[in-house]
Amino acid sequence: DSGVTQTPKHLITATGQRVTLRCSPRSGDLSVYWYQQSLDQGLQFLIQYYNGEERAKGNILERFSAQQFPDLHSELNLSSLELGDSALYFCASSGPGTSGRHEQFFGPGTRLTVL
Amino acid sequence: AQSVTQLGSHVSVSEGALVLLRCNYSSSVPPYLFWYVQYPNQGLQLLLKYTTGATLVKGINGFEAEFKKSETSFHLTKPSAHMSDAAEYFCAVSINAGGTSYGKLTFGQGTILTVHP
Repeated sequence: DSGVTQTPKHLITATGQRVTLRCSPRSGDLSVYWYQQSLDQGLQFLIQYYNGEERAKGNILERFSAQQFPDLHSELNLSSLELGDSALYFCASSGPGTSGRHEQFFGPGTRLTVL
Repeated sequence: AQSVTQLGSHVSVSEGALVLLRCNYSSSVPPYLFWYVQYPNQGLQLLLKYTTGATLVKGINGFEAEFKKSETSFHLTKPSAHMSDAAEYFCAVSINAGGTSYGKLTFGQGTILTVHP
């Protein structure tokens, strides 16, 4: 158990819908990262937040947005969903409390299926 | 920008044989390198990491990797494979984004390791 929690574990929805994925980082970690894992694109970085502020953006679509709240949990919002958005979405956390620099701890993921 | 190439999307070994998973990276600045393992329907677990210092790093479950700057490689090895090692392995690179911001991970495409009895 990495200490990073993600809900829900599975999500099935229809095209055009909007969903919210939730992540709680490890205790003491200030950074949250979101990654998408799909068969055709592999593991890709989406976005990073540090202590409530956006720090870095990767290959994140305009239909996707994220935020980190004062209690440090993060949400990834996916809207106008398309079939191609079906993937496994991972959250990871790291922070000054981590024993090794740059070490990211991954949650179990949310599997999104768009029908 | 950094990138990672994992040579071989599938590797098959016999139980007790040497495991060698290859990873080459590209980075314009000194990289931080990682190997993660993913078991079916699970998240990613860190096996080992290289940040600075000793170039031969030891990780969990008997795995180790050697950072070779001249070859831009970070290959993962284990002397004797076990059935429980069957999983997908990802090599990843990050760079120091500065200050309190730790760098994003750029992953290779993954290598599926199969272990035969």
